[in-house]
Amino acid sequence: QVQLAESGGGVVQPGGSLRLSCATSGFNFSIYDMHWVRQTPGKGLAWVAFIRTDGNIKYYADSVRGRFTISRDNSKSTMYLQMNGLRTEDTAIYYCAIGIAWGQGTLVTVYS
Amino acid sequence: QSVLTQPPSASGTPGQRVTMSCSGSNLNIGKNAVNWYQQLPGTAPKLLIYGNNQRPSGVPDRFSGSKSGTSASLAISGLQSEDEADYYCAAWDDSLNAWLFGGGSKVTVL
Repeated sequence: QVQLAESGGGVVQPGGSLRLSCATSGFNFSIYDMHWVRQTPGKGLAWVAFIRTDGNIKYYADSVRGRFTISRDNSKSTMYLQMNGLRTEDTAIYYCAIGIAWGQGTLVTVYS
Repeated sequence: QSVLTQPPSASGTPGQRVTMSCSGSNLNIGKNAVNWYQQLPGTAPKLLIYGNNQRPSGVPDRFSGSKSGTSASLAISGLQSEDEADYYCAAWDDSLNAWLFGGGSKVTVL
């Protein structure tokens, strides 16, 4: 059974940092490209970042480029999102996803 | 503003057929497969259709997807109350190197 589980969300002040994790099981993690997607409560889905299977290709949404860093550890079947320079507009539920499955999300709240 | 365009809402009575569209460009829908996701209130998105028209196991055959050119469609036949949800289309964009989502269509069962 494919499972993805995010952790690491919380409340942080503007300018602060958080590191999200996405632990996975039930599938061959190393052969799947991975994404982070976020959703402001009551709003639509917004793609955040992408990482290729081997971690060598990464893409970011314009809104987070230069502040967020996506990474993965295939030996641990886990993906990460390092978020620096957080802004109030980064407040959202953050999901990790492969095309066929999503985690349940972790809430990040940025406010002073 | 979403690059994939969906109508914000759709509705129907139980048993009716409801369709919703997703419009993109030659750089996303025109070149890559479209997925559709269902998001029930308070839950994470769930894959409904992948590869334009393929249903994962467990998804009722009431749900069907299609694609033509730079547009895709999702149809729900025999609408049921439990189908009330938000529906999102998604496709990779080769120019933006981004996974694009539509703005979502909220389905209401009258």
